[in-house]
Amino acid sequence: DTGVSQDPRHKITKRGQNVTFRCDPISEHNRLYWYRQTLGQGPEFLTYFQNEAQLEKSRLLSDRFSAERPKGSFSTLEIQRTEQGDSAMYLCASSFSQGGGKLAFFGQGTRLTVV
Amino acid sequence: GENVEQHPSTLSVQEGDSAVIKCTYSDSASNYFPWYKQELGKRPQLIIDIRSNVGEKKDQRIAVTLNKTAKHFSLHITETQPEDSAVYFCAASPNQAGTALIFGKGTTLSVSS
Repeated sequence: DTGVSQDPRHKITKRGQNVTFRCDPISEHNRLYWYRQTLGQGPEFLTYFQNEAQLEKSRLLSDRFSAERPKGSFSTLEIQRTEQGDSAMYLCASSFSQGGGKLAFFGQGTRLTVV
Repeated sequence: GENVEQHPSTLSVQEGDSAVIKCTYSDSASNYFPWYKQELGKRPQLIIDIRSNVGEKKDQRIAVTLNKTAKHFSLHITETQPEDSAVYFCAASPNQAGTALIFGKGTTLSVSS
């Protein structure tokens, strides 16, 4: 599968613990996005990278959340001191900036459950 | 910031009928409007998109129309089939340089045979 891959697919954690998710975008894509999706809702934008630079962050991204893309390839999203309200599907997407392309291809997501 | 409203939230049709889902957006600078289909437990998948310099685009049984003046766009599915049953999301891209997509809340389409 040469699409966007995310790891892990599922994560159950106790409230207060830290969790980290990984996203590997499509190899030639220089843009990478993180979204959060809760049941019955559309994906909500969290943050966006172009290469290694984090260019945009949503106000949904509280100071407990941090994202990195150190070499412009894979990205990690860390949530510190998890809360029950963090339970959601965390989706990663990637796209290629050239040619005005804004096609975004999503990964399968990481489903986080905070108990 | 950009706000995308989508309706209806649920839509039930008989196989073979047409289905129409409508979205409105608030930011006149938005210039890219994709539609995603999400089946239960799966990732959202891009099914069609339209850019602001085009009024209509068609791909087999799926078409999207855009009215920039009224700031709304619609998804049309003709000859619906049971496998079209899914949640459909519209989205808008709010600015030229950035690419964050702002999504609607989704429409659950049920096609009964």
